[in-house]
Amino acid sequence: DVKVTQSSRYLVKRTGEKVFLECVQDMDHENMFWYRQDPGLGLRLIYFSYDVKMKEKGDIPEGYSVSREKKERFSLILESASTNQTSMYLCAGGDGDRGLGAEAFFGQGTRLTVV
Amino acid sequence: GQQVMQIPQYQHVQEGEDFTTYCNSSTTLSNIQWYKQRPGGHPVFLIQLVKSGEVKKQKRLTFQFGEAKKNSSLHITATQTTDVGTYFCAGLFNFGNEKLTFGTGTRLTIIP
Repeated sequence: DVKVTQSSRYLVKRTGEKVFLECVQDMDHENMFWYRQDPGLGLRLIYFSYDVKMKEKGDIPEGYSVSREKKERFSLILESASTNQTSMYLCAGGDGDRGLGAEAFFGQGTRLTVV
Repeated sequence: GQQVMQIPQYQHVQEGEDFTTYCNSSTTLSNIQWYKQRPGGHPVFLIQLVKSGEVKKQKRLTFQFGEAKKNSSLHITATQTTDVGTYFCAGLFNFGNEKLTFGTGTRLTIIP
């Protein structure tokens, strides 16, 4: 059974802290993605990666960075957390030649609250 | 930027009634995918449509991709309580640009 696992279900951090959200997939696929989900806004793409050490900006990369040192792991980093980054963060792994040309598998999500 | 608009934002239906959600894009899509997110859960892939005018069915669910590949719809016949959740469409604008753009979702509530 395919799995995408996020390290935390709930997280509370203080403004200004550096925050790491971890995601691990067992699909052996090259493509991984980070989204944030907010009410009324759907899912918005933050960053994605097609290969180890490779990353591309999504629609809302400001205030975030990512790291992909190993194929199975994709980390989202909030350099200095702010209250407007309070959100649900969803990691996904994709199949297909590039990007999400086929089914995307999502992790269970991390609800981050910045206080 | 490229956007996918989805309506309605909310839909409340009596159990047994039909339900439809619509997605529209201002530019042509390469493909469109549909996902369902149960309350408290994560999005789960339902289907992908690629061809102009394509229609696919999954039991009570019917998915359509418009002739111009700019719009899509999901129709559920005779809703059941298990259909509760938020339905998202997600469009791929071209295969050279792999950003899958999600619609804002339609939250379906069933009144028993």
